[in-house]
Amino acid sequence: QVLLQASGPGLVKPSQTLSLTCAVSGGSISSGNYYWNWIRQPAGKGLEWIGRVYTNGNTGNTLYNPSLKSRVSISVDSSKNDLSLRLTSVTATDTGVYYCARGPASVAAAGRGFWFDPWGQATLVTVSS
Amino acid sequence: EIVMTQSPGPLSVSPGERATLSCRASQSISSNLAWYQQKPGQAPRLLIYGATIRATGIPDRFSGTGSETEFTLTISSLQSEDIAVYYCQQYHNWRITFGQGTRLEIQ
Repeated sequence: QVLLQASGPGLVKPSQTLSLTCAVSGGSISSGNYYWNWIRQPAGKGLEWIGRVYTNGNTGNTLYNPSLKSRVSISVDSSKNDLSLRLTSVTATDTGVYYCARGPASVAAAGRGFWFDPWGQATLVTVSS
Repeated sequence: EIVMTQSPGPLSVSPGERATLSCRASQSISSNLAWYQQKPGQAPRLLIYGATIRATGIPDRFSGTGSETEFTLTISSLQSEDIAVYYCQQYHNWRITFGQGTRLEIQ
């Protein structure tokens, strides 16, 4: 059973860079069978997909939500079996709960996305001075 | 961007009764739709994908129907543990989007 656990600093100052990590256990992040994603949820609001990363150990790719593309970067560390999120120039609107989640690669053909299963335990981020 | 709109707003249902939640897509998404359940303080849990396919371990009182632009999640006999916010999500397009959620309450 694969488990995901997000972590990172709970407080980030405005204009700084938010960095989060998601540890994956119970399966290899480089299996090539899945996309690994970041999703966020502002307090009391709905869900927003941030972006995804894929690797099979040899090749990889990323795709980001256009609304965040200029500020976001997602990467994988196969040696640690984890994925990371970097979000630059944060503001108060970036405050919320951040999740990592897995999506099946077999579904993402011809420009499609995928569903998310499982989701990791979230990490709360507050942007404030 | 494909916009997903859920209705109704908060939904109050009596225990044992049927709950019907709706989700509409701004354009056709075929059957590329998933439903999630989110309880307070927890991550969302996958209930349905492919519009109608129950995820592993999901009770059969949960069912999904619909295609193209109109979708429904039905809970046939509401249990107290079903109180949560329910989200639909389209994956027809790589730019994945979610509905705003429907809060399900006990009447």
